[in-house]
Amino acid sequence: GAVVSQHPSRVICKSGTSVKIECRSLDFQATTMFWYRQFPKQSLMLMATSNEGSKATYEQGVEKDKFLINHASLTLSTLTVTSAHPEDSSFYICSAQVGGNTGELFFGEGSRLTVL
Amino acid sequence: GDSVTQMEGPVTLSEEAFLTINCTYTATGYPSLFWYVQYPGEGLQLLLKATKADDKGSNKGFEATYRKETTSFHLEKGSVQVSDSAVYFCALGKAGGGNKLTFGTGTQLKVEL
Repeated sequence: GAVVSQHPSRVICKSGTSVKIECRSLDFQATTMFWYRQFPKQSLMLMATSNEGSKATYEQGVEKDKFLINHASLTLSTLTVTSAHPEDSSFYICSAQVGGNTGELFFGEGSRLTVL
Repeated sequence: GDSVTQMEGPVTLSEEAFLTINCTYTATGYPSLFWYVQYPGEGLQLLLKATKADDKGSNKGFEATYRKETTSFHLEKGSVQVSDSAVYFCALGKAGGGNKLTFGTGTQLKVEL
């Protein structure tokens, strides 16, 4: 199957700094990618839908100025957590969609962010 | 809103045991239902899916039947192997909602020799 890679897999940062997480589709082009976060023992929560060449669509309750999403190419979407705080510590996961609106999703391995 | 509830883990089984992981959902309309599996160090992978009532999804010996009357999509396998050890996520996709999925919390399965 198609491969989606996230980087970094783990990151520790100080409170107040910004952290960028990359999501790459390695062997296919993805016009649409999705970003999720997962707290321990909780569901994956969809944060936003990232569309190549246009602004991301954020889910209700997700601060777009806090979680900046850029999808500048068909193989790369980035999530930047700005001015990170300890409550932003979480597991962030991306997925990329093959084909149209109901195409199969391929997931990255996730990125664990710890904010001190 | 839509939600998915699945049994808490971890579930620990001996090899060749029968597996059931329960999943129930709440949704309006006729969602599609999915099971994803996440092996250690890897991303979630689609295991199986069903798009309408009474459909049975199956893959790698796993099965799940879309039961609208009980709003359930329980995952079963007749004989598990050590290699099935992973985290299993139940998810639903709203009809017409594209790939915006609602996930359960995940159930960790450990299979021992």
